[in-house]
Amino acid sequence: EAGVVQSPRYKIIEKKQPVAFWCNPISGHNTLYWYLQNLGQGPELLIRYENEEAVDDSQLPKDRFSAERLKGVDSTLKIQPAELGDSAVYLCASSPRASGGASDTQYFGPGTRLTVL
Amino acid sequence: AQSVAQPEDQVNVAEGNPLTVKCTYSVSGNPYLFWYVQYPNRGLQFLLKYITGDNLVKGSYGFEAEFNKSQTSFHLKKPSALVSDSALYFCAVSPVYGNNRLAFGKGNQVVVIP
Repeated sequence: EAGVVQSPRYKIIEKKQPVAFWCNPISGHNTLYWYLQNLGQGPELLIRYENEEAVDDSQLPKDRFSAERLKGVDSTLKIQPAELGDSAVYLCASSPRASGGASDTQYFGPGTRLTVL
Repeated sequence: AQSVAQPEDQVNVAEGNPLTVKCTYSVSGNPYLFWYVQYPNRGLQFLLKYITGDNLVKGSYGFEAEFNKSQTSFHLKKPSALVSDSALYFCAVSPVYGNNRLAFGKGNQVVVIP
């Protein structure tokens, strides 16, 4: 079974430029998560989707960050414009069930390492 | 809001010795508890989780963890460490009833010395 796929793996951009990250979850997984991981820290949730609905986006900085999961499968996270402080690893994860899945195991992709110059 | 404390930045252990990585948590109500491992330039890999039932949970690669409700702890253990266990370990907690949000600790770097 293929794992969570993310691309690109690495991205270097200049500040004020836009950037987008793509994630394809494990087949059949209804719930998709985007996390931000700063150096020396654990992942922090940005947004959680159940199918195509964003059910928890309270920690997404909506002035510059946006996300979509139009067909309930793959997802894109965008930053526009990027700032120096956005340099981090952006992780995507998926889990099998929709609502009520707090006990579900989350399976993580390899992440996209963003560097903003 | 739920939170996790992993008090040690780095754990050094000789190969073949027992390995313990400490985790304490704070949550409203009962917890779901998880351990993940992260190797360089890779995503987090699931090791084990506590949902309910037996307080001793066995997981992948010979790891186990013990849920202690009175001490609000979920320490990760392995009887005999391998050099290949050198990695970053994350403890995470989610409330059984609540926001379905997983809160991670800052991680512990484990270094197994040959």
